[in-house]
Amino acid sequence: EVQLQESGPGLVKPSQSLSLTCSVTGYSITSNYWGWIRKFPGNKMEWMGYISYSGSTSYNPSLKSRISITRDTSKNQFFLQLNSVTTEDTATYYCARYHYSSSLDFDYWGQGVMVTVSS
Amino acid sequence: DIVLTQSPALAVSLGQRATISCKTNQNVDYYGNSYMHWYQQKPGQQPKLLIYLASNLASGIPARFSGRGSGTDFTLTIDPVEADDTATYYCQQSRNLPTFGGGTKLELK
Repeated sequence: EVQLQESGPGLVKPSQSLSLTCSVTGYSITSNYWGWIRKFPGNKMEWMGYISYSGSTSYNPSLKSRISITRDTSKNQFFLQLNSVTTEDTATYYCARYHYSSSLDFDYWGQGVMVTVSS
Repeated sequence: DIVLTQSPALAVSLGQRATISCKTNQNVDYYGNSYMHWYQQKPGQQPKLLIYLASNLASGIPARFSGRGSGTDFTLTIDPVEADDTATYYCQQSRNLPTFGGGTKLELK
């Protein structure tokens, strides 16, 4: 069974970087596409970006140059780094697998990790 | 960005039909497919894929759930509603940069 699990600090100070890990079991990240999505307090959800089976990436333009998604295929993990965070980056962060590259929906999600940006 | 609009809440009785709508400000159809998907999320849990490409039932999802629509108007139907269906339901489009609706909270009368 495909399983995803996010990990990382639950509290980050403003202006610092947020770094999260998504550990995948039951499926290789060298297949398919893998994304990060966040849910803000109040339920708004935002797609942040993805990394593909080949390592190529695509990001939400709203995050401009603050975001980076990388991977370690030997550990079957992929990572999110978001720089220069503010309180507006407080959210629950999810990693997810794309269902099909042709439909671009998400069929497997991690449990999510709540990240608070506060001094 | 494509904006998806959902009603905030819906209350239905057990055993009745629930119809949740999602309207977009741009057409999400492309080459015969409607790039609209539906998720269920319960408190403290991750979203669960219910319907993809507007009307395709995801793996393991009971046939009580169905989706339809095209262009800019889409609906998710649950018939009959069971107690376990109380949750928030989100639509998501993937025609362009992926965006989500604000969610519809389904409650029982």
